[in-house]
Amino acid sequence: EAQVTQNPRYLITVTGKKLTVTCSQNMNHEYMSWYRQDPGLGLRQIYYSMNVEVTDKGDVPEGYKVSRKEKRNFPLILESPSPNQTSLYFCASIDSGSYNEQFFGPGTRLTVL
Amino acid sequence: AQTVTQSQPEMSVQEAETVTLSCTYDTSESDYYLFWYKQPPSRQMILVIRQEAYKQQNATENRFSVNFQKAAKSFSLKISDSQLGDAAMYFCAPLAGSQGGSEKLVFGKGMKLTVNP
Repeated sequence: EAQVTQNPRYLITVTGKKLTVTCSQNMNHEYMSWYRQDPGLGLRQIYYSMNVEVTDKGDVPEGYKVSRKEKRNFPLILESPSPNQTSLYFCASIDSGSYNEQFFGPGTRLTVL
Repeated sequence: AQTVTQSQPEMSVQEAETVTLSCTYDTSESDYYLFWYKQPPSRQMILVIRQEAYKQQNATENRFSVNFQKAAKSFSLKISDSQLGDAAMYFCAPLAGSQGGSEKLVFGKGMKLTVNP
């Protein structure tokens, strides 16, 4: 089954404690992306990747890092989380051969205390 | 830079009736795709319908159809015969780069649709 997986689905942490949210896709897509969703703001792009070792900033990259060492994985790293990073995070994998349709993971609910 | 506006934060519709969700956007691109996504309480993002900007014919997917006005940069979603399962947040998302040149997907702020039995 074609899918995008994210882990963990829920995470409560404290300010300053480094964390990683993993994202993996099994569709062999070159493009992947991370979004955060906040009430009243919709989804905003954090980072995206056009291929292995190629990443670029989205609209709200501050406080986040990403890496793309393998095509299937695109982890999101928060080196020193802060309460304003409390949000719902989505990873997406993009099918450039089919309308650039984005396939979303199930989301990760992060709370930073 | 792209901007997307969904001017109505909330709407309600009676079951079996028709409702139209509005979306306007601004882009300098000439060729692009546009999408409507649905987010039910499960939070999963589900693709509802897509439109290619170079196609004049409006996309239709069962009870869902769009009214795409390229010159006006308007991309509204019509839901016919509304069902209780249509209750969700709906996001409009135009994407530049139909040739895969840009994967920047800009979302509207969303619109909460309530379906009344």
